[in-house]
Amino acid sequence: DAKTTQPNSMESNEEEPVHLPCNHSTISGTDYIHWYRQLPSQGPEYVIHGLTSNVNNRMASLAIAEDRKSSTLILHRATLRDAAVYYCILRDRGGGADGLTFGKGTHLIIQP
Amino acid sequence: GAGVSQSPSNKVTEKGKDVELRCDPISGHTALYWYRQSLGQGLEFLIYFQGNSAPDKSGLPSDRFSAERTGGSVSTLTIQRTQQEDSAVYLCASSLVDGTQAFFGQGTRLTVV
Repeated sequence: DAKTTQPNSMESNEEEPVHLPCNHSTISGTDYIHWYRQLPSQGPEYVIHGLTSNVNNRMASLAIAEDRKSSTLILHRATLRDAAVYYCILRDRGGGADGLTFGKGTHLIIQP
Repeated sequence: GAGVSQSPSNKVTEKGKDVELRCDPISGHTALYWYRQSLGQGLEFLIYFQGNSAPDKSGLPSDRFSAERTGGSVSTLTIQRTQQEDSAVYLCASSLVDGTQAFFGQGTRLTVV
């Protein structure tokens, strides 16, 4: 069973912010929230992760709900290069095969 | 090297032949994962290695698929008697076991003709 739920696709305009939602209502206390993205014809790449507090890095921001049952990946100013499939996954601190299980993700389309 | 390295990057083989795909994880990463991605599809988990523990083979689609990891580092995925439906990109990822970020290789594109 999928641990996370994401919209199948989203569309945005270039140079505008993008908010990608993810629901994870069954999250446990030891689960980190990870985001990865897969550009066309490439392997997935790490974007950001967090546990409880909001996180920022050079690629994106991660906003985590207070009850941790949902989160939002924020791309502050989308470019055409950000068009990709974005995956939200739960990664247990203890690792394991379930610790890197991908659902279908959100296909982000960026319009020029 | 600095990242996860997979070889070959492309492999074309005839139906019925055996193939070996190689993954060099990041040094010190104890967790290693193999995935398969068919054209236009999501990532399908195949097998997971963690340190010296017995691997989790629950994702292997048939007994034609096997994998090993020697010395806790390099891993080889072997597909015996390849079929056309085995055509896909095979991806490898490694990470520290504590649930931090995983790093993926660029994959091996396997085409069975």
